[in-house]
Amino acid sequence: EAGVAQSPRYKIIEKRQSVAFWCNPISGHATLYWYQQILGQGPKLLIQFQNNGVVDDSQLPKDRFSAERLKGVDSTLKIQPAKLEDSAVYLCASSTLGREWRNTIYFGEGSWLTVV
Amino acid sequence: GDSVTQMEGPVTLSEEAFLTINCTYTATGYPSLFWYVQYPGEGLQLLLKATKADDKGSNKGFEATYRKETTSFHLEKGSVQVSDSAVYFCALSESVNMLTFGGGTRLMVKP
Repeated sequence: EAGVAQSPRYKIIEKRQSVAFWCNPISGHATLYWYQQILGQGPKLLIQFQNNGVVDDSQLPKDRFSAERLKGVDSTLKIQPAKLEDSAVYLCASSTLGREWRNTIYFGEGSWLTVV
Repeated sequence: GDSVTQMEGPVTLSEEAFLTINCTYTATGYPSLFWYVQYPGEGLQLLLKATKADDKGSNKGFEATYRKETTSFHLEKGSVQVSDSAVYFCALSESVNMLTFGGGTRLMVKP
């Protein structure tokens, strides 16, 4: 079974530029997440989708971050304009609904962003 | 709100040593508890989980017991290998599919 796919794996941009990350979840997974992992810290949830609707985006800095999940499959996370403190790994994850798989979340390898 | 506290690393051990990584949590209800592992250059992988008090999760020689009375979920392994070198994250979930992570503990195992 293919895992969660993310691209690009690495990106270096200057501050005030924009960047976009793409995620393709595991086939059939209705729920998709974007996490931000700053070096030396645990991942922090930015946004959670169920199908193509937003379940939670309370920790998403909406003045510069946006995310969408068109057609309930792939998702894109955008940062515009980027700040130095946005340097982090952006992790996409997915999970099914249903009792058997409750709370089992599968992560991609992450997209590493460096803002200079 | 919910929170997870892990022992700070790095933890450096010799091969075949006994491993304990402490994890305690704060939650308003009855969360599920998890350990995730992140090998160098790879994404987070679920290592083990426990969904109710006194449950023991186990996988690949690692185990952790859900202790409600001490709000803990310590990770243990009897004999570590060099290949266990990674960052280990303790996490909890109170609502369906929403994880709160600890800060991570780096484990380095020397041959």
